Amino acid sequence: GQNIDQPTEMTATEGAIVQINCTYQTSGFNGLFWYQQHAGEAPTFLSYNVLDGLEEKGRFSSFLSRSKGYSYLLLKELQMKDSASYLCAVYNTNAGKSTFGDGTTLTVKP
Amino acid sequence: DGGITQSPKYLFRKEGQNVTLSCEQNLNHDAMYWYRQDPGQGLRLIYYSQIVNDFQKGDIAEGYSVSREKKESFPLTVTSAQKNPTAFYLCASSIGTNEQYFGPGTRLTVT
Repeated sequence: GQNIDQPTEMTATEGAIVQINCTYQTSGFNGLFWYQQHAGEAPTFLSYNVLDGLEEKGRFSSFLSRSKGYSYLLLKELQMKDSASYLCAVYNTNAGKSTFGDGTTLTVKP
Repeated sequence: DGGITQSPKYLFRKEGQNVTLSCEQNLNHDAMYWYRQDPGQGLRLIYYSQIVNDFQKGDIAEGYSVSREKKESFPLTVTSAQKNPTAFYLCASSIGTNEQYFGPGTRLTVT
């Protein structure tokens, strides 16, 4: 089976930097996704890490360490619109599907 | 415009009735998925299909059924056997192992 852990809630200040962690245990790991979901809406894709290291995309970066079963999503220059739930998902090649964590609800305050 | 659509956005049913949720995509994606989301929780996989005329059970398939007769369509039926059907249902599609594109979701309320 697969086990994915993320903090339930985080709070940060506008303009600051926040790091959302995700740890996982799985067999047949093929990659790790991060999605953003605003309240009442569908998730939207943010990043996909297959190899170890840091992937940067504008204000958002995602890091993966396969040996440690660990990833983080880094959000810089936080804006109020970044208040949302951030979902970590692990793709399992053996099963041919992704498993999602419960998500981290980020609140950005002025 | 390419995309994935779900209808209706809100659906109300009486307990004991079956209900079918629609999911259509024109992205030419082979893989399609159905998820359920309860308040404050992540996505739980109900069923998924990697090619037409084939589908597999996800983690919480009991009380649900699907069909995949066309590449574009992957309807989900919530049967009366599903004990807690009230939830937010999300359909998604993808090309292989790449990122998933989600529809806007259907919020089902059963009373």
